[in-house]
Amino acid sequence: KNEVEQSPQNLTAQEGEFITINCSYSVGISALHWLQQHPGGGIVSLFMLSSGKKKHGRLIATINIQEKHSSLHITASHPRDSAVYICAVIYSGGATNKLIFGTGTLLAVQP
Amino acid sequence: NAGVTQTPKFRILKIGQSMTLQCTQDMNHNYMYWYRQDPGMGLKLIYYSVGAGITDKGEVPNGYNVSRSTTEDFPLRLELAAPSQTSVYFCASSRIIPGQGRANYGYTFGSGTRLTVV
Repeated sequence: KNEVEQSPQNLTAQEGEFITINCSYSVGISALHWLQQHPGGGIVSLFMLSSGKKKHGRLIATINIQEKHSSLHITASHPRDSAVYICAVIYSGGATNKLIFGTGTLLAVQP
Repeated sequence: NAGVTQTPKFRILKIGQSMTLQCTQDMNHNYMYWYRQDPGMGLKLIYYSVGAGITDKGEVPNGYNVSRSTTEDFPLRLELAAPSQTSVYFCASSRIIPGQGRANYGYTFGSGTRLTVV
């Protein structure tokens, strides 16, 4: 079982829909990242969370440390939101500050 | 703002050849990392460095070497390329302030190097 699990693996939405991507993890963490990767492109950090909720434009990220769960929400989705969204946690058990990655959620927003 | 710069963006190698993937950051970050991304898998840590002159192995270090002679540069060396090293490689950096716990855990990623070994 992976230490970081995301659901769904694939998601197709119509433009304007509200989208939720979920992330569950099984290790102790210092913080959690939501990352965005466009096809063939680089990785961009959208949010870093250690508690509560953050909002940036149409994107909202929440985390529940006790339940070891985070969600990424996209309001009023747009075709330019089509990308892979990756949840990654900063493992608190060592000195590396390394990230442990989920396998990503491939989002396609259709016009 | 350059951030993390990786070169080259694409490379095709023959089995047994060697090459160096370059990574440079201009943010004075102390921590630097090399990850590889394989289809259907999460990124895996190859090597990391907590500062100039200090490197250590990650989860999948076999077949790779690194050095960190300066704060800015963290090259990844493939000595004898194998088909199993076909992957997309990402360099990343972060700034950790010792003793300040959760401060400054933000990551910055390079744009990636797509390597094919044939």
